[in-house]
Amino acid sequence: AQSVTQLGSHVSVSEGALVLLRCNYSSSVPPYLFWYVQYPNQGLQLLLKYTSAATLVKGINGFEAEFKKSETSFHLTKPSAHMSDAAEYFCAVSDPDTGGFKTIFGAGTRLFVKA
Amino acid sequence: SAVISQKPSRDICQRGTSLTIQCQVDSQVTMMFWYRQQPGQSLTLIATANQGSEATYESGFVIDKFPISRPNLTFSTLTVSNMSPEDSSIYLCSARQGANTGELFFGEGSRLTVL
Repeated sequence: AQSVTQLGSHVSVSEGALVLLRCNYSSSVPPYLFWYVQYPNQGLQLLLKYTSAATLVKGINGFEAEFKKSETSFHLTKPSAHMSDAAEYFCAVSDPDTGGFKTIFGAGTRLFVKA
Repeated sequence: SAVISQKPSRDICQRGTSLTIQCQVDSQVTMMFWYRQQPGQSLTLIATANQGSEATYESGFVIDKFPISRPNLTFSTLTVSNMSPEDSSIYLCSARQGANTGELFFGEGSRLTVL
């Protein structure tokens, strides 16, 4: 079965520091990959998605992610953290076993930003 | 894009009662889904809401406990029946436009507390 692993349930960075949130997927075929963000008391919104057009994907709010097939990874980065980036981040994959019908979510990583 | 409205946004319910959550999308969508997000955890797919027919449930979820309706392309309801404290959770409605591998749009969620 498909799975998504996010390393680190909590990540803490200082304002202005690099943000790196890790995501690894299991798939025998290139999947569609997503990063979503959830602010407190809100639903999820899309940060970015990989659909095989380019391995480096740029999203909203200065975030980007790089698809590395050899490492089955799709890590999320931002060069300089801002206090407003504090939120829960979910990596997700469209399950190729179901023709992309279902989306499988990782456990999530809560990002804390210190002043 | 699609804007999803859910109601109620939160409720406190008594054990043994049932509650229906409504989900309205501002545009026609191909797929609608219901997810559960238990405190501090990731999203678990409950079912796919199929227009005009019975929903497709994931393993561990049954129609008697979580009846779902989708009478048209923009509206769906989820009922949580005979509630127990274990049903305390956030229930999220989501939708997809177009291809099966496209992004999901989410409502802000309905936070249920069962006493």
